[in-house]
Amino acid sequence: GQQVMQIPQYQHVQEGEDFTTYCNSSTTLSNIQWYKQRPGGHPVFLIQLVKSGEVKKQKRLTFQFGEAKKNSSLHITATQTTDVGTYFCAGYNTPSNYQLIWGAGTKLIIKP
Amino acid sequence: NAGVMQNPRHLVRRRGQEARLRCSPMKGHSHVYWYRQLPEEGLKFMVYLQKENIIDESGMPKERFSAEFPKEGPSILRIQQVVRGDSAAYFCASSLRDRPSHSYGYTFGSGTRLTVV
Repeated sequence: GQQVMQIPQYQHVQEGEDFTTYCNSSTTLSNIQWYKQRPGGHPVFLIQLVKSGEVKKQKRLTFQFGEAKKNSSLHITATQTTDVGTYFCAGYNTPSNYQLIWGAGTKLIIKP
Repeated sequence: NAGVMQNPRHLVRRRGQEARLRCSPMKGHSHVYWYRQLPEEGLKFMVYLQKENIIDESGMPKERFSAEFPKEGPSILRIQQVVRGDSAAYFCASSLRDRPSHSYGYTFGSGTRLTVV
């Protein structure tokens, strides 16, 4: 079945360093969504990418959708302690328009 | 305008007991989705319901699990004879139409953390 792979599983960074997480799908995606989940919290929607090659920015966060619509990335510039959490990508399980297939997430850990 | 409300936040059950998880959708929403999250994993789709109807339960185990969304009251996810492997966080989301908003994605409730001892 359709799978969404996400790497790395964990990333330890010093505050102020950059962070990147990568997402790859076994099939072409109609769109991809990104969520952030704080420890003990629930996933919070960040953004959706729809177009091939699309790039969107939210302050220090940059989201990209690959040309083939099978991969995506999230890059955070100059991490802050408020960025701590797990970042998930998720794509719709075609032809469903409601059932999301989630990556396993990348946990961002800020070194003390 | 309250968001998606789930209760209880934490639930501890002994093996063999029943667990009932409740989800009240956002006001005016008649579509509810349940997802399960095991530790260190992403969410897994379980079931999609509309008022009084199960639309898609393809992600829900055939045994011991059931879901309902009655005409009045919250949606209920019911797990009978719980086992240790049922320990997880269960999240629900709701939508106005037959799909989550494509502009805003899913809005999840705070979840129920089920621990089976």
